[in-house]
Amino acid sequence: AQSVTQLDSHVSVSEGTPVLLRCNYSSSYSPSLFWYVQHPNKGLQLLLKYTSAATLVKGINGFEAEFKKSETSFHLTKPSAHMSDAAEYFCVVSGAGGYQKVTFGTGTKLQVIP
Amino acid sequence: DAGVIQSPRHEVTEMGQEVTLRCKPISGHNSLFWYRQTMMRGLELLIYFNNNVPIDDSGMPEDRFSAKMPNASFSTLKIQPSEPRDSAVYFCASSLTANNQPQHFGDGTRLSIL
Repeated sequence: AQSVTQLDSHVSVSEGTPVLLRCNYSSSYSPSLFWYVQHPNKGLQLLLKYTSAATLVKGINGFEAEFKKSETSFHLTKPSAHMSDAAEYFCVVSGAGGYQKVTFGTGTKLQVIP
Repeated sequence: DAGVIQSPRHEVTEMGQEVTLRCKPISGHNSLFWYRQTMMRGLELLIYFNNNVPIDDSGMPEDRFSAKMPNASFSTLKIQPSEPRDSAVYFCASSLTANNQPQHFGDGTRLSIL
């Protein structure tokens, strides 16, 4: 069994300040973890992925995430928010096995205030 | 490279009509997914194909929904008859393999049933 919990449904930051979007997961296997971003009227775009290599993963647009097994967390961060970062962000866990069982979080809407 | 292509982008039709949504996955990808996204229920996996074979259709809401993948480069999701509660954005996604690979999403079909 696996699950993913995004701890905040909405996050609001000022432009130029750090971003933290929180994600906790549970999985019976060694999971793969992903963050996706969805801009209005668009599909989901992959930001970054963790697949059991380095625990600190760098993604596109200055985002990064750290896999912490002891805390079962995979939080997304960015040092300085930009207006174009305003979007919805999804944390995703994928289990092992012959079938790619994928579980999406409920999403976090990021608002960036000028 | 072309991404996942969905058509139409928008569909408005009357209750009771048949609706067909189309998807062309990324060439070389072996897995294809159909999702539905609504404000109330978030992102829901409807059905998953691997090598053109339906593997998991447990998310298909009811018998009015059907999906096919006649070849590696084309899939359809059909609703017959359509109902107002089917109004949503429908996404198609594809991935390279079945195990722990990121999914690539199309821009979706916004469906409105009047």
